[in-house]
Amino acid sequence: GENVEQHPSTLSVQEGDSAVIKCTYSDSASNYFPWYKQELGKRPQLIIDIRSNVGEKKDQRIAVTLNKTAKHFSLHITETQPEDSAVYFCAAANQAGTALIFGKGTTLSVSS
Amino acid sequence: SAVISQKPSRDICQRGTSLTIQCQVDSQVTMMFWYRQQPGQSLTLIATANQGSEATYESGFVIDKFPISRPNLTFSTLTVSNMSPEDSSIYLCSVDTMGTEAFFGQGTRLTVV
Repeated sequence: GENVEQHPSTLSVQEGDSAVIKCTYSDSASNYFPWYKQELGKRPQLIIDIRSNVGEKKDQRIAVTLNKTAKHFSLHITETQPEDSAVYFCAAANQAGTALIFGKGTTLSVSS
Repeated sequence: SAVISQKPSRDICQRGTSLTIQCQVDSQVTMMFWYRQQPGQSLTLIATANQGSEATYESGFVIDKFPISRPNLTFSTLTVSNMSPEDSSIYLCSVDTMGTEAFFGQGTRLTVV
């Protein structure tokens, strides 16, 4: 089955800096890669996703890149703000209707 | 987008007892999923619940411990049976819209004492 590795486990940046979180997946059939943000005590919320027919997707300060050959994808947050502080999870799914398999999460801390 | 109502939102239970968690969706969905999130950890898939058939469990999870019902296309329950303190976790139900965003319930925070 699918296995998703996520690095780093913790990331501390200064406000205004960029943050990058990387994930690798094992199942070459995976074709959907979302990123979730989870604030303390809350449910995971989707922040951006990408499909295997696209190499990059951007939404304001957030971007995701996908390298299918290497089976890795990355989350990029630019101009970080203290409210970006949270736990971020990457995930992968291999076909419509299957469950997401999550990475172990990255705790991002943005200090002002 | 799907709206998922999950209850209870939290509970404190005695070891050896069972708790049933309910998940209601505002639209019909084929697949519903149950996840466990242990303190400070990621989300681990427990099982996939399909309407009209037995749930499919992931490695490490068994039906006797986590029986699941899926009586229709908008509702599912997860029971945590014969609980021990190690079962203290957040349990989340989820639905997907066939290959797009997965939506989560607000979670059930279970503490076993």
